[in-house]
Amino acid sequence: GDSVTQMEGPVTLSEEAFLTINCTYTATGYPSLFWYVQYPGEGLQLLLKATKADDKGSNKGFEATYRKETTSFHLEKGSVQVSDSAVYFCALSERGGYNKLIFGAGTRLAVHP
Amino acid sequence: EPEVTQTPSHQVTQMGQEVILRCVPISNHLYFYWYRQILGQKVEFLVSFYNNEISEKSEIFDDQFSVERPDGSNFTLKIRSTKLEDSAMYFCASSAGDQSYTQYFGPGTRLTVL
Repeated sequence: GDSVTQMEGPVTLSEEAFLTINCTYTATGYPSLFWYVQYPGEGLQLLLKATKADDKGSNKGFEATYRKETTSFHLEKGSVQVSDSAVYFCALSERGGYNKLIFGAGTRLAVHP
Repeated sequence: EPEVTQTPSHQVTQMGQEVILRCVPISNHLYFYWYRQILGQKVEFLVSFYNNEISEKSEIFDDQFSVERPDGSNFTLKIRSTKLEDSAMYFCASSAGDQSYTQYFGPGTRLTVL
């Protein structure tokens, strides 16, 4: 079945460092791809999304590009802040995005001053 | 900005008891979902609901689980006889079903089964 694989955490960075969190997927169809973020003690918030190949999703300085040839959707940010400390989940949804989200295991990011 | 709300934020129950988790989705949304996250693990899909019926459910969603949209605004998840392994954070989500392809999540209900 469909699945999402994320790099294991935790990822620990200093403020202003460059961030990459790897995400690859396996899907039988043509999924939509998402990054969700979970701040401590809170629910899931959509960070960005892409619905077709070569689309780039972006929000709050984070970016991810839908790469069909490598089945990847890596999350990047040029300069992280302490406030970016959270758990980041990569997810996919088949057939237009109305259907269930399949999540990766999540990657915990800790940013230190 | 409209948001999904969930009550209670924390529910403690004894094994074998019934619990009902409540959600109020965003008002014009058409698709509703329940997910759960056991502590330290990934978020798992339980069930999706559209047009007053279940559209998909996972293997986790067995006969002990049921969902209902009783009054056009609330969306509930019932667990008939809770087990220790049902302890988890339960998230409700809703989607407009439009081209945004976005599911909006509530803050979650933490269920603790003793």
